[in-house]
Amino acid sequence: KNEVEQSPQNLTAQEGEFITINCSYSVGISALHWLQQHPGGGIVSLFMLSSGKKKHGRLIATINIQEKHSSLHITASHPRDSAVYICAVMVGGAQKLVFGQGTRLTINP
Amino acid sequence: NAGVTQTPKFQVLKTGQSMTLQCAQDMNHEYMSWYRQDPGMGLRLIHYSVGAGITDQGEVPNGYNVSRSTTEDFPLRLLSAAPSQTSVYFCASSPITGFRTEAFFGQGTRLTVV
Repeated sequence: KNEVEQSPQNLTAQEGEFITINCSYSVGISALHWLQQHPGGGIVSLFMLSSGKKKHGRLIATINIQEKHSSLHITASHPRDSAVYICAVMVGGAQKLVFGQGTRLTINP
Repeated sequence: NAGVTQTPKFQVLKTGQSMTLQCAQDMNHEYMSWYRQDPGMGLRLIHYSVGAGITDQGEVPNGYNVSRSTTEDFPLRLLSAAPSQTSVYFCASSPITGFRTEAFFGQGTRLTVV
């Protein structure tokens, strides 16, 4: 079993819909990252969380340390949000990120 | 600031050839790392460095070498390329050891070994 599991693996939605991507992890962590990867492009950091909730524009990220779970929400989704979203955890006490497999999001006009 | 710069963006190698993937950052970050991304799998750590002169192995280090002679540069060397090393490679950096702050990634290098 992977230490970091994302769901769903693929998500297709219509423009304007509210999107939720989930990340569950099985190890103790010191931080969790949400990353965005566009087709053929590099990886961009969206959020780094160690507790609570963060918001940037239409993106909201939450984390529940006790339940070992994080969610990434996109409000009023737009075709330009189409990308792969990756959850990565900083394993507590270690010097490495462990990545989920990613969620491929497609927003249709 | 240019951020994290990787070169080349694309490379085709023949089995047995060697090459170096370059990674440079201009943010004075202590922590730098290399990952490979394969279809259906999450990114996996190859090697990392917590400062100039210090490197360590990650999850999949076999077939790769690194060095960190300066804070800015962290090249990844493929010693004798194999088809199993066909992948997309990402370099990343962080100002504090272990990505306890924002992570910065390069644009990636798509490597094909034939």
